[in-house]
Amino acid sequence: GQQVMQIPQYQHVQEGEDFTTYCNSSTTLSNIQWYKQRPGGHPVFLIQLVKSGEVKKQKRLTFQFGEAKKNSSLHITATQTTDVGTYFCAGRAGNQFYFGTGTSLTVIP
Amino acid sequence: DGGITQSPKYLFRKEGQNVTLSCEQNLNHDAMYWYRQDPGQGLRLIYYSQIVNDFQKGDIAEGYSVSREKKESFPLTVTSAQKNPTAFYLCASSSLGHNTEAFFGQGTRLTVV
Repeated sequence: GQQVMQIPQYQHVQEGEDFTTYCNSSTTLSNIQWYKQRPGGHPVFLIQLVKSGEVKKQKRLTFQFGEAKKNSSLHITATQTTDVGTYFCAGRAGNQFYFGTGTSLTVIP
Repeated sequence: DGGITQSPKYLFRKEGQNVTLSCEQNLNHDAMYWYRQDPGQGLRLIYYSQIVNDFQKGDIAEGYSVSREKKESFPLTVTSAQKNPTAFYLCASSSLGHNTEAFFGQGTRLTVV
């Protein structure tokens, strides 16, 4: 079956440092979505990438979809304490979402 | 105010009892999903439904049951056959089509003692 893996599982950074999480799929994806879950909260949609090699930015967040449409990354520049949470990627196939294992980000003030 | 609502937020049950978690959405979404979240294991799909009166098993359906009698509602029953039911349960909905996003409820934290 479809598998989506994310690394790292946990990441602790000092405030102001950069952060990157990587997402890898066992199969080619039609698109990739990213979600953020704050501690004690629920996942909230951030963005969707559709095209091979696509790069999108949201302020300090940069999202990239690989050329083969099997991997993706989320990079946060100069982390802030508000970035704390778990970041999930999700591949789409049909009407199903295949969520990655998530990366839990801790930002140390 | 459109959205997806799960209730209750916290639920305690004794071992051996069945328990039903509620999920209601007024987003007019055709697809609804139930996920289980355990620390370090991401979101695992329990069941999903794309249309009323039809649903499919996800990766970890054993010990769970669902119904989809109305488009707005997709309740999940955690049965006594579920060996390790204590977890955080998330319900989600989406429109059909692979370019649509998932909207999640607030989640229900179930503790079985």
